[in-house]
Amino acid sequence: GQQLNQSPQSMFIQEGEDVSMNCTSSSIFNTWLWYKQDPGEGPVLLIALYKAGELTSNGRLTAQFGITRKDSFLNISASIPSDVGIYFCAGHLRGTYKYIFGTGTRLKVLA
Amino acid sequence: GAGVSQSPSNKVTEKGKDVELRCDPISGHTALYWYRQSLGQGLEFLIYFQGNSAPDKSGLPSDRFSAERTGGSVSTLTIQRTQQEDSAVYLCASSLITGSDYGYTFGSGTRLTVV
Repeated sequence: GQQLNQSPQSMFIQEGEDVSMNCTSSSIFNTWLWYKQDPGEGPVLLIALYKAGELTSNGRLTAQFGITRKDSFLNISASIPSDVGIYFCAGHLRGTYKYIFGTGTRLKVLA
Repeated sequence: GAGVSQSPSNKVTEKGKDVELRCDPISGHTALYWYRQSLGQGLEFLIYFQGNSAPDKSGLPSDRFSAERTGGSVSTLTIQRTQQEDSAVYLCASSLITGSDYGYTFGSGTRLTVV
């Protein structure tokens, strides 16, 4: 099935470092979402973006909807151990019923 | 209910047996989705329900997979004659309306292991 390209696939970082990950697509999306999945749980919505160029923050998380509407990035500032998990982007085409999910970025934070 | 509930949370089955996975969506959510997450992989779309009908079954991997939804609520995903490659986490999600700009709410998933 169709999936978005998400990078990096995985990353190890030191506690306190900033993290950046991105998602790209060949399709134009009207909505971008970022989810986090903790081990043994389902993905939980972190941030939603609805307009090209939009920059939205949620605590230490900041996400942007790319100008071309084909990409998005997520930044995590001053990472902490509980940031460990898999981060997924998801894009939605207006008028369709489903979101297309990225391949995920697996984040591991070293204390 | 308050969230999307899936059962069982874990299932170990022998190759060749049938399994049923259950999803209880959030009350009032008309759209329901099943995804599969294989080890270290992203989310693979399986099937989508609007009410009790499934307009898109295109993600079901084979005819051993089927799903139904009754009363616009509970959904069951059935895998017949399970194979080892069916081992994965099966995630269910629901949303208030189809194509919601607010995304889905996911359950915690059923981890299926075929031995």
